[in-house]
Amino acid sequence: GENVEQHPSTLSVQEGDSAVIKCTYSDSASNYFPWYKQELGKRPQLIIDIRSNVGEKKDQRIAVTLNKTAKHFSLHITETQPEDSAVYFCAASMTGRDDKIIFGKGTRLHILP
Amino acid sequence: DSGVTQTPKHLITATGQRVTLRCSPRSGDLSVYWYQQSLDQGLQFLIQYYNGEERAKGNILERFSAQQFPDLHSELNLSSLELGDSALYFCASSYSPGLAGPYNEQFFGPGTRLTVL
Repeated sequence: GENVEQHPSTLSVQEGDSAVIKCTYSDSASNYFPWYKQELGKRPQLIIDIRSNVGEKKDQRIAVTLNKTAKHFSLHITETQPEDSAVYFCAASMTGRDDKIIFGKGTRLHILP
Repeated sequence: DSGVTQTPKHLITATGQRVTLRCSPRSGDLSVYWYQQSLDQGLQFLIQYYNGEERAKGNILERFSAQQFPDLHSELNLSSLELGDSALYFCASSYSPGLAGPYNEQFFGPGTRLTVL
């Protein structure tokens, strides 16, 4: 079955700097890669997603890149702000087969003042 | 507010007991997913239902079972509870599986925190 590895498990960056979180997946048939943000005590919320027919997607300060050949994808947050502090989860799914989404173990991002 | 509701918000019970967690999906969503999140752990996919039928299964224990009713709400039943079952249980819903576009986004409920003593 699908397996998603996520690194690092914890990341601290200075406010204003960039943060990068990397994930790899095992099932080459996966074609949908969402990223979720979970603030302390709250539900996960989708922040950006990318499909396998696209190599990069950007939404304001957030961007995701996908390398299908290497089976890895990354989340980039630029100009980090205190409200970016949260746990971020990457995930992989094969739409059309089922909607089972396999999540990585998460990255706890700390934005330092 | 995602539109997904879960009850109860908190549940405290003893080992060996049985509990039922309830989830109502967003209006119009046909799929319901259940996840377990233990302390400092990621989201473990348990099971998915689509329009009343089981569609995908993850690492769900035999002591756990779920169903989706004709009105599309879902229940997760946990029996013979153990201390290790203490976790946050999330339900999520999406419009439909297997379609391109925005339908794949899963919207999460607020979760039910289960404590087994």
